[in-house]
Amino acid sequence: EAGVTQFPSHSVIEKGQTVTLRCDPISGHDNLYWYRRVMGKEIKFLLHFVKESKQDESGMPNNRFLAERTGGTYSTLKVQPAELEDSGVYFCASSASLAGVFEQYFGPGTRLTVT
Amino acid sequence: RKEVEQDPGPFNVPEGATVAFNCTYSNSASQSFFWYRQDCRKEPKLLMSVYSSGNEDGRFTAQLNRASQYISLLIRDSKLSDSATYLCVVNMRTGRRALTFGSGTRLQVQP
Repeated sequence: EAGVTQFPSHSVIEKGQTVTLRCDPISGHDNLYWYRRVMGKEIKFLLHFVKESKQDESGMPNNRFLAERTGGTYSTLKVQPAELEDSGVYFCASSASLAGVFEQYFGPGTRLTVT
Repeated sequence: RKEVEQDPGPFNVPEGATVAFNCTYSNSASQSFFWYRQDCRKEPKLLMSVYSSGNEDGRFTAQLNRASQYISLLIRDSKLSDSATYLCVVNMRTGRRALTFGSGTRLQVQP
């Protein structure tokens, strides 16, 4: 069974540009999450989708970040315009929707560098 | 104070040793608890969930102490391949699935 996949694996952009990250969850997982790790810090939650609906976006840092999950399958995270402090690794995770099952499985991440 | 606190290490142990990591969490209403393993520049991989009664998976044993708000991970008979960063992860928010991560404890198993 394929795991969570993310694209691209690396992205280097200049301050002010736009970048779009993509995540494909494990097939059949309704829950999709975005997290990020900035340099020297722990991994932090950004938001949670259940199918195509945003369930929890309490971790989104500001309105330069836009996440979508049209059709409830893959998700995109757009950063526009990018700032230097957005550099870090962006992880996507997914989990099943079974009651009492909370384990999340992570993708390999997208390493974003804003110069 | 961090929501999930771990000793960053590194823990340097010889092959075959037993090593234990602890982690404390701040929210007494936390729901679910996990240990993840992360290799350098890789994604976190779920090692095991931590249940109230404690649980074991081969050489790995996890314990939860709700009264003291700490979680432990015991690794027996350490292998070179166990070298990694171990992340203590907690679902703290009632009704939500967001995970809160500790900063990790680095383990280096030496031959």
